[in-house]
Amino acid sequence: GENVEQHPSTLSVQEGDSAVIKCTYSDSASNYFPWYKQELGKRPQLIIDIRSNVGEKKDQRIAVTLNKTAKHFSLHITETQPEDSAVYFCAARGSTLGRLYFGRGTQLTVWP
Amino acid sequence: NAGVTQTPKFQVLKTGQSMTLQCAQDMNHEYMSWYRQDPGMGLRLIHYSVGAGITDQGEVPNGYNVSRSTTEDFPLRLLSAAPSQTSVYFCASSYSITPGSGNTIYFGEGSWLTVV
Repeated sequence: GENVEQHPSTLSVQEGDSAVIKCTYSDSASNYFPWYKQELGKRPQLIIDIRSNVGEKKDQRIAVTLNKTAKHFSLHITETQPEDSAVYFCAARGSTLGRLYFGRGTQLTVWP
Repeated sequence: NAGVTQTPKFQVLKTGQSMTLQCAQDMNHEYMSWYRQDPGMGLRLIHYSVGAGITDQGEVPNGYNVSRSTTEDFPLRLLSAAPSQTSVYFCASSYSITPGSGNTIYFGEGSWLTVV
């Protein structure tokens, strides 16, 4: 099956700085890569996703890049704000229908 | 449109007891699934369903049963609770499992389960 690795596990940045979280995957047939944000005690919520036929996608301060050859994808958050503090999860949908594999999460802390 | 609804939100069980976590969605989603979330482990898939009458195992299915008799409901049964099943459980659904359309997965609010 698919194996998704996520780094770093914790990330602290100053307000206004950029944050980058990286994920790698093992199944070359994976074709869908969402990112979720989870605030303490809440459910994971989709913040951005990318399909395998696209190299980059941007939504305001958030962007995701995908390198299919290297099998890695990254989340970029610019101009970070304290409300960006949360756990972020990457995921990959592998070749087995119905399975979404998650990374272990990155705790992002943005200091004012 | 209530989205994905899970009950109960909190539950304490004794070792060996059985219980059912309920999950319902009103979005006519084909795909439903159950994940468990443990500290430092991310979200791990327990069971999933790609339509009424169809279920399959995920990464960590042992100790859990599911059924999908209707499109809307996907209950998760703990057969004989063990302390290792102490976790936060999330039900999730999406319109489609096929690439290119409706892949967004929506999560319920979670169920905090403690087994003592």
